[in-house]
Amino acid sequence: DAGVIQSPRHEVTEMGQEVTLRCKPISGHDYLFWYRQTMMRGLELLIYFNNNVPIDDSGMPEDRFSAKMPNASFSTLKIQPSEPRDSAVYFCASSLAPWTRSYEQYFGPGTRLTVT
Amino acid sequence: GQSLEQPSEVTAVEGAIVQINCTYQTSGFYGLSWYQQHDGGAPTFLSYNALDGLEETGRFSSFLSRSDSYGYLLLQELQMKDSASYFCAGLISGGYNKLIFGAGTRLAVHP
Repeated sequence: DAGVIQSPRHEVTEMGQEVTLRCKPISGHDYLFWYRQTMMRGLELLIYFNNNVPIDDSGMPEDRFSAKMPNASFSTLKIQPSEPRDSAVYFCASSLAPWTRSYEQYFGPGTRLTVT
Repeated sequence: GQSLEQPSEVTAVEGAIVQINCTYQTSGFYGLSWYQQHDGGAPTFLSYNALDGLEETGRFSSFLSRSDSYGYLLLQELQMKDSASYFCAGLISGGYNKLIFGAGTRLAVHP
């Protein structure tokens, strides 16, 4: 398996523009997670899906952020409009059920977003 | 609230042993994971403790004590390539199943 795939790897955009980040999880994984990492706030869970259904979006910063998972092999995280404080590395991760003996989340390479 | 505390930085020399501690304060705690992240890279899984005790995987071991709300990662025979950030993460259950990450410990291994 190719692992979790994210695109783009780097995104530079101007304030006010719409940004869409994409993720393809590992085939067969039931759970998909979106994280944001910054120096100030560390690694934060934004939202996660189970079987394509959003379960917990309490980490989504505000209404400018939205996430979808239209099928088991694709998810998007959208920011509209973007702001400079959204600059961060956004990771997508996928996993099997958390109660498996060796629970592991597999992270994608991340998208480094810069909003100017 | 949910929180995990770990030291911000640790320094050690090649060949040495280092222990990175993690204390947690969470509700619905299910288990403790450890992840490694090199600069510019993605977090990668090291270990997961669902039960109290020591889990050993090669040069790395992880320990959990639920009664003390405490765990640690033990790295033996340190190598330069072990220089990275190490995150403990609590698996929270009870309706939600998600990882809450600590702030990370930056390990610097010197010759």
